[in-house]
Amino acid sequence: AQSVAQPEDQVNVAEGNPLTVKCTYSVSGNPYLFWYVQYPNRGLQFLLKYITGDNLVKGSYGFEAEFNKSQTSFHLKKPSALVSDSALYFCAVREDTDKLIFGTGTRLQVFP
Amino acid sequence: GAGVSQSPSNKVTEKGKDVELRCDPISGHTALYWYRQSLGQGLEFLIYFQGNSAPDKSGLPSDRFSAERTGGSVSTLTIQRTQQEDSAVYLCASRPGLSGYEQYFGPGTRLTVT
Repeated sequence: AQSVAQPEDQVNVAEGNPLTVKCTYSVSGNPYLFWYVQYPNRGLQFLLKYITGDNLVKGSYGFEAEFNKSQTSFHLKKPSALVSDSALYFCAVREDTDKLIFGTGTRLQVFP
Repeated sequence: GAGVSQSPSNKVTEKGKDVELRCDPISGHTALYWYRQSLGQGLEFLIYFQGNSAPDKSGLPSDRFSAERTGGSVSTLTIQRTQQEDSAVYLCASRPGLSGYEQYFGPGTRLTVT
């Protein structure tokens, strides 16, 4: 069965510094990977996806993610964090049956 | 354009009552999903509709849960004889279908069973 793991419950970073939110996956076959963000009392917003092609994927709000097949990772990155990036971030993998399997989420706190 | 909408945004019900949660997907999206987000279980898949195909009900936690999708658009998730463990945020998502892989989520319905 497909699965994703987000090893960090919380990531703290100072505004202006680069941020990384980690995700590793376990799939049979080619992975379809996604990052979503959830702001308080809101639904999930799509940030970016990897389906095929370039390993570095660019998404919304200046976020990007690097697909690494050998390390089975899909870490979310941003060169310069903003306080407004503080939110809950979910990594997800698409199963063969088309549903998404989510990680447990990582809370990002960006301090001024 | 309009996104996925859900109603009500909040629902408080007494244990044992039935509840109905509604989802209006993005117009033209043929795929519709229900997920549940709770503190103990994280985000979990409940049910998936794709066009006229039989729904994938593999994530429904018990036979108290059911869902339908009328006319290939609006969907209703029904929970019968609610229990306290049903308290969660219920999220609906839609996807274009044959093209596009990402799912677009609604704001959710927060269900509290007292």
